[in-house]
Order: sequence, then structure tokens, then C-alpha cells
Amino acid sequence: KAGVTQTPRYLIKTRGQQVTLSCSPISGHRSVSWYQQTPGQGLQFLFEYFSETQRNKGNFPGRFSGRQFSNSRSEMNVSTLELGDSALYLCASSLDSPKSYEQYFGPGTRLTVT
Amino acid sequence: AQKVTQAQTEISVVEKEDVTLDCVYETRDTTYYLFWYKQPPSGELVFLIRRNSFDEQNEISGRYSWNFQKSTSSFNFTITASQVVDSAVYFCALSDYRAGTALIFGKGTTLSVSS
Repeated sequence: KAGVTQTPRYLIKTRGQQVTLSCSPISGHRSVSWYQQTPGQGLQFLFEYFSETQRNKGNFPGRFSGRQFSNSRSEMNVSTLELGDSALYLCASSLDSPKSYEQYFGPGTRLTVT
Repeated sequence: AQKVTQAQTEISVVEKEDVTLDCVYETRDTTYYLFWYKQPPSGELVFLIRRNSFDEQNEISGRYSWNFQKSTSSFNFTITASQVVDSAVYFCALSDYRAGTALIFGKGTTLSVSS
């Protein structure tokens, strides 16, 4: 069974640009969550999608947005990039709520903003 | 507010030593879930265990064991006879009613096991 895949794995962008990251969950999984990992703030929850609907959202500015498609694949977008957005962005999938079902993480997308 | 504290930033041990990673959590909810994840150098988080607040039984899985104590709000993780492959960053996480489907992670403990 293929794991969670994230593309691209590495990305370098300039301040002010926008970026789109992609996540393909494990087949059959309908919940996709996104996390930002930085040395200073650690792992922080961005949002969770279930059946194409945003079910939960973390405390991030509106520049961070996401969506989920009918095949459960998810994308997250960051507009007007800031230096502080440099981070490892992790996607995770589970059958349903991560509270009740094992959550599988992808390898992440390393975003560097210069 | 919910919070997870992993006071040990880094731990170094020699192979075959036992090591305990501490996790203390804060929540006002009576129903909550606790997790441990492992993050090897490759970067992806690996699920180790999930425990709900009504199940205080300790659990053992091979060389891994977990001690859940509601009285001290702790969910500690012990690796017995550590191995070099155990070297990783270990995260404790909490999810309660207020968090919804989000996991609130501690800052992590970096475990280095040398041969």
C-alpha cells in the first residue's frame, strides 16, 4: 500500500511569491491534515479536510489556505510569502478523525523563502 | 488551554541502556487522546501509540512501553535495551474536544543512541 506522498519535496521561493503544495493520501483515507514544523514553534496544526470540506483550522493567517479534491488529494497554498514561512510542511492522512484512526504522515515539503 | 510539555530536549544513551522520555500534558477536558510519534532523520512522523483518557492501562509493545498516569497528567515512554535505530526525535501529542481533529504537539525530545 503506497504511503502519503507530498510534492514537491523541496522548494525555494522569494518573499512575496505564492506557493502550492500537494498531498496525496493513502488510498481510502478521507481525512487530510496539514502541519507546519519550524525549529522555533515546533509542529503546528494548519487545517484538516474531510470529504472536500475543511473540518478544522489552526491559528494561522488567511494567507494559508487549502482544499481537498473528490479523490481526497489535498493542496495547500501560501500567498504573499514571508521569510517566517520557511518550514517543513507535513501532510497526514487517516481514514477519519485522527483522534480515532491512525494517522500517517508524508515526508514533507521543505519550503525555503528568501 | 491545551499544552504538552516535553522537558527533555536531548537525551544521549549508549546502546542497550533503558531510556524514558517524559511527557506532561494540560487540558480541561475529561475526554482526550494522547499520542507518541517518532520522527527519524528522513522527516516523516511515524505513529507509535494512541491512548484515550479513559484507558489508563499501561501498554507494552516489544521494547517500547508507555506509562499513563492521569493523577500527574503524564504519559511517559520507555525504550528498553535501546538500539542505534531508535535515534530520532520523539513527539508527544494531545487532542481534546477543544482541539477538534488537531493534534497539539510537544517540542519533542531528540534521542541519540550510540554504539
